[in-house]
Amino acid sequence: AQSVTQLDSHVSVSEGTPVLLRCNYSSSYSPSLFWYVQHPNKGLQLLLKYTSAATLVKGINGFEAEFKKSETSFHLTKPSAHMSDAAEYFCVVRVTGGSYIPTFGRGTSLIVHP
Amino acid sequence: DAEITQSPRHKITETGRQVTLACHQTWNHNNMFWYRQDLGHGLRLIHYSYGVQDTNKGEVSDGYSVSRSNTEDLPLTLESAASSQTSVYFCASSGGVNTEAFFGQGTRLTVV
Repeated sequence: AQSVTQLDSHVSVSEGTPVLLRCNYSSSYSPSLFWYVQHPNKGLQLLLKYTSAATLVKGINGFEAEFKKSETSFHLTKPSAHMSDAAEYFCVVRVTGGSYIPTFGRGTSLIVHP
Repeated sequence: DAEITQSPRHKITETGRQVTLACHQTWNHNNMFWYRQDLGHGLRLIHYSYGVQDTNKGEVSDGYSVSRSNTEDLPLTLESAASSQTSVYFCASSGGVNTEAFFGQGTRLTVV
């Protein structure tokens, strides 16, 4: 079975400073990994995905993530936070050879201060 | 453009009533999923389907059922609504394992 752990329930940054949202996964098979963003009272939007190609993945709005198999991690970063980045972020895993079910972490709330 | 839609967007119902939430996708995806979102829990899987006539229980399936009579629709039924089922419900669909899931806009259900 696969699982995802988002290491921080809340992350607080100042506008213009770097963002780091941490995600570790557990999987018996080769994973596909995704980051989604959810703004207040909205649906889920895909930020980026890793599917066994390049380990450094670039997404929308300046976000990127690096797949590190040795550390079973898929951390999300952004060089400079913007007020509009304030939202809930979810790390999601699906596994090849597994059940195909997208399994969610509990989410990280990103707070951006002016 | 292909899309996935949920209806209604908001619903208030009384304890004990049967409620059905609709989910319709035009992606022609075989895989469809229902999740509920509660504070502190992220999204938890209720039921899922890999194709027509296929349905499976997720981790929080008690009190819920689904049916899959065609590719496009996976309605979620609460047999007898309980206050513990007050939540935001999301439907999703996807293609193969290396593809992302697409989500509906959610249904906010309140059971009073």
